[in-house]
Amino acid sequence: EVQLLDSGGGLVQPGGSLRLSCATSGFAFETYAMSWVRQAPGKGLEWVSSISGNGASTYYTDSVKGRFTISKDNSRNTLYLQMNRLRAEDTATYHCTKVGLAGDWLYFDYWGQGTLVTVSS
Amino acid sequence: AIQLTQSPSSLSASVGARVTITCRASQGISGALAWYQHRPGEPPKLLIYDASRLEVGVPSRFSGSGSGTDFTLTIGSLQPEDFAIYYCQQFNSYPYTFGQGTKLEIK
Repeated sequence: EVQLLDSGGGLVQPGGSLRLSCATSGFAFETYAMSWVRQAPGKGLEWVSSISGNGASTYYTDSVKGRFTISKDNSRNTLYLQMNRLRAEDTATYHCTKVGLAGDWLYFDYWGQGTLVTVSS
Repeated sequence: AIQLTQSPSSLSASVGARVTITCRASQGISGALAWYQHRPGEPPKLLIYDASRLEVGVPSRFSGSGSGTDFTLTIGSLQPEDFAIYYCQQFNSYPYTFGQGTKLEIK
């Protein structure tokens, strides 16, 4: 059974840092690309970042480029999101997602429960 | 960035009704579209990928269609557990944008 367990959220002051983790099990982690998606309070879903299976390629939404870093440790089956220079508008629940490969195009087939990040003084 | 516009933003329907949600892309995305269901307190759940392929375990009352810029999600006969927010997402190119969501409420 595929499982994604998000953690690491919390309250942080503007300009501060947090590292989110996503511990995974039930699939060949090194084979699959992974992503982070966030949802601000009362808002819709927003794709944040993706990383290839081997970790060599990374992608970010414009608003987090230069501040967030996605990485994966294939020896620990764990995905990370290092978030620096946090802003109030980064306040959201962050979900890790696994990329599905059964189709012609990508999709997110499994999602973590989410971890809440609150940026406030 | 490719924009996705869902319509309607919200709708009310009765159990047993058939409903259709539309997702329009600002440029052609071939079949690179997924649909998710999001219930409060739960993570989003994949329903449809490649615009029309039903994810394993999803009831057959859900179906998707479309290609290029216009896509639809249809729920054939609403069940009580279907009342939720539905999102489309494109995977044609980064950033992998979502639609703004459609809230489906009980009438």
